[in-house]
Amino acid sequence: QQPVQSPQAVILREGEDAVINCSSSKALYSVHWYRQKHGEAPVFLMILLKGGEQKGHEKISASFNEKKQQSSLYLTASQLSYSGTYFCGLRSYNTDKLIFGTGTRLQVFP
Amino acid sequence: GAGVSQSPSNKVTEKGKDVELRCDPISGHTALYWYRQSLGQGLEFLIYFQGNSAPDKSGLPSDRFSAERTGGSVSTLTIQRTQQEDSAVYLCASSSLGQGRAGELFFGEGSRLTVL
Repeated sequence: QQPVQSPQAVILREGEDAVINCSSSKALYSVHWYRQKHGEAPVFLMILLKGGEQKGHEKISASFNEKKQQSSLYLTASQLSYSGTYFCGLRSYNTDKLIFGTGTRLQVFP
Repeated sequence: GAGVSQSPSNKVTEKGKDVELRCDPISGHTALYWYRQSLGQGLEFLIYFQGNSAPDKSGLPSDRFSAERTGGSVSTLTIQRTQQEDSAVYLCASSSLGQGRAGELFFGEGSRLTVL
């Protein structure tokens, strides 16, 4: 079952903050976040593991709530380079299969 | 090469023909994934390999789709009797799963398939 991301789209002015959410109906082992720019391949941002480990990238951070089976991606003081589509990827227990969410399109304007 | 390599980068074929898409993963990466991305859509899981084995083929859309991996390296995705709805970008990714199955995925640039 595909994870659900919200919002579907975000429009920001440079310097504004945004939060992207990802929800699953399955128990999660880890959460990945990727960004894909138009016409390019997805690029890895970070992994969050069960147990609360959190990694950051530039001014982008994330959280992982195992009980709620949710993850949130926080973009602080957005830059033009943040524009793209963000995907969460969820991995359940006992599998290496990574299922991606529905995607959130982010546009940052000057 | 240093990254995941896919070929061809573009393939135009006629409905009913068979196509083969190739993926050359990063050397040493044990896991290999295939995804499909239709225009403006998300990443649809097709299949993944751990070594030469495919523990999960649940994402393959129909029996016209098959994939294999040999020598724990190169993988081929084959689509038989192509249909217009098969038109999409097919993305391959590889991963090293040494960190408790938490390895990041490295994606290739994709193979864009157009079925006329």
